[in-house]
Amino acid sequence: EVQLVESGGGLVKPGESLRLSCAASGFPISGYSMNWVRQAPGKGLEWVSYISESSSHVYYAESVRGRFTVSRDNAKNSLYLQMNSLRAEDTAFYYCVRSEGYYARTEYFHHWGQGTLVTVSS
Amino acid sequence: QSVLTQPPSVSGTPGQRVTFSCSGRSSNIGSNPVSWYQHLPGTAPKVLIYNNNERPSGIPDRFSGSKSGTSASLDIIGLQSEDEADFYCTAWDDSLRGRVFGGGTKLTVL
Repeated sequence: EVQLVESGGGLVKPGESLRLSCAASGFPISGYSMNWVRQAPGKGLEWVSYISESSSHVYYAESVRGRFTVSRDNAKNSLYLQMNSLRAEDTAFYYCVRSEGYYARTEYFHHWGQGTLVTVSS
Repeated sequence: QSVLTQPPSVSGTPGQRVTFSCSGRSSNIGSNPVSWYQHLPGTAPKVLIYNNNERPSGIPDRFSGSKSGTSASLDIIGLQSEDEADFYCTAWDDSLRGRVFGGGTKLTVL
């Protein structure tokens, strides 16, 4: 069974950093591109970042570019999101998502984690 | 303001047909496939349609999708009370070099 379990969320102050992890089980992440998607309280879904199987292609939403860094460790079957210079507007549930499809342009999201909450507040 | 435009809400009665619209541009819907997701608060979103009109296994044929130009739509026929949720469309945007979601449409089953 495919499982994605996020961890690392919590309460931080504006300007601080946080690192999210996503532990995958039931499949080798080396065979899949992965994404982070977030949902702020009362708001809709927002795509955050994409990383290809070998990390050769990485994309970010404009709202996080330059502050967030996605990475993966295929040997540990894990995905990460390093979040620096956090802002109040980064407060959201962050979902780890497995891509289905060959390219970022044509993929879709079949498997989602349950999410981890990041709260940025002074 | 979301890049893809969805109406904030739709409603229907059990057994009815409802349609969700999703409007974009040539750089996103006009160039790339659309997928649709159903999301209940507190749960993981579920894919209903991918590649504009394909259903993953396990999704009933009450759900169907289509795309024309820079717009896409999701239809639900035979509406059921358990369909009540938020529905999102998404597509890759070649200009933004990223994926964009619609703002979501809340379905209320009356």
